[in-house]
Formats: sequence, C-alpha cells, structure tokens
Amino acid sequence: ETGVTQTPRHLVMGMTNKKSLKCEQHLGHNAMYWYKQSAKKPLELMFVYNFKEQTENNSVPSRFSPECPNSSHLFLHLHTLQPEDSALYLCASSRTDRGNEQYFGPGTRLTVT
Amino acid sequence: RKEVEQDPGPFNVPEGATVAFNCTYSNSASQSFFWYRQDCRKEPKLLMSVYSSGNEDGRFTAQLNRASQYISLLIRDSKLSDSATYLCVVMGSYNTDKLIFGTGTRLQVFP
Repeated sequence: ETGVTQTPRHLVMGMTNKKSLKCEQHLGHNAMYWYKQSAKKPLELMFVYNFKEQTENNSVPSRFSPECPNSSHLFLHLHTLQPEDSALYLCASSRTDRGNEQYFGPGTRLTVT
Repeated sequence: RKEVEQDPGPFNVPEGATVAFNCTYSNSASQSFFWYRQDCRKEPKLLMSVYSSGNEDGRFTAQLNRASQYISLLIRDSKLSDSATYLCVVMGSYNTDKLIFGTGTRLQVFP
C-alpha cells in the first residue's frame, strides 16, 4: 500500500544528532498530521497542517520542528532529542472536507540513545 | 476524565464468537466517530466510520449513542485474523481537524 509513505522506517540517533523524518501522501489530501505513539499510551497528536498551513501545535517541545513545503510532503526535523522521545512517529493525511478519515503511513520507529 | 475511554482488554475469544467493545467520550459536541484497527507494530488502519443511524460492514457493526456519549463495535463470527487492537477515535467540535484516540482494546481470537 503506497497511499502514505514514511522514511526512514527505523532510526537510531544520539541526543546530539540532527535528523529528519519524511512523509509523503499520494491521495490528493489537503491535511497532514504528525502523531507520536509511545508504549501503553494513546496516539498523541503533535502537529496538523491544512493546505500547508500549520493549524495545530499540541504543545510540542521545540526540539521537534515540522515543515510542510506542499500538501503532499511533510517533514519532522529532530535535534537534541531525549531518550523519552523514543517512540513510533506516525504521519497521516486526510480530506477535511470529506469526513476527515485519516490514513496513516507505516511510521518511523525512533530510538534515542 | 479521559477524552476517549476504552477498556484495554485483552478480550480473549474463540473463533466464531461474537464480541463487543464500548467506548465513551467526554465532549458532547463531538461530531465524527471512527473505529481504527492496529496490528502489532503496524500503523492504525481505518476500520469504519460511525454514523448516527449505526452502520454495518460485513461482520462488523458500529453504533453511536449520543445521549450516553458512547460508541460500540460488534464483531460477529470472529476470525483469527481479527486479532488486533481496536482504537476508538473521536473528532472534536466543528472547525477542527483534531482526532482524539483512545488507548485501544486488544482482541485475541484463539482457535
């Protein structure tokens, strides 16, 4: 299934590294999302972009920096992360004018050492 | 009170059984409701939207009770492949793109 793709699928980084996660959607959707999923916790919404404009920042620390150059691409830039940031980072997209059913990418499993 | 609350389970049922999950939500102004399925170490996948009149898709039936603020999912004739975590998802009030996810209910179907 290639509706929403994410790279890399796995990432191990040190606390002083800088890395970026990439998401691309091929569904013609107008909204894109970043979620964090930690063990035993519900999905936490991090950011929402609608037509490239950020419409939601859910009190996310500044060490996470999103970028949305167009409606099909979404990045999450990471720097000076903490071990507790280790989690599955999921990207999703939707058509907000059609019920907002969100479709998820496979996620990036991030480990911060 | 959590915005979306689900029994985490696990629900262990034999093949062929009927199983039901409930979910409650706190925001009475919520407008859209969904059930997602998540397999171990995979992304959530939309199972079905939940409409006010209730809806059915094969062996799966979803119901919404606005007065009591709960949503249900009924699975009939359970298959081994139904084993997964089922996430109850609620969209907030008007003019929001934000979905609120429950922690999920784990279902394990055994032979």
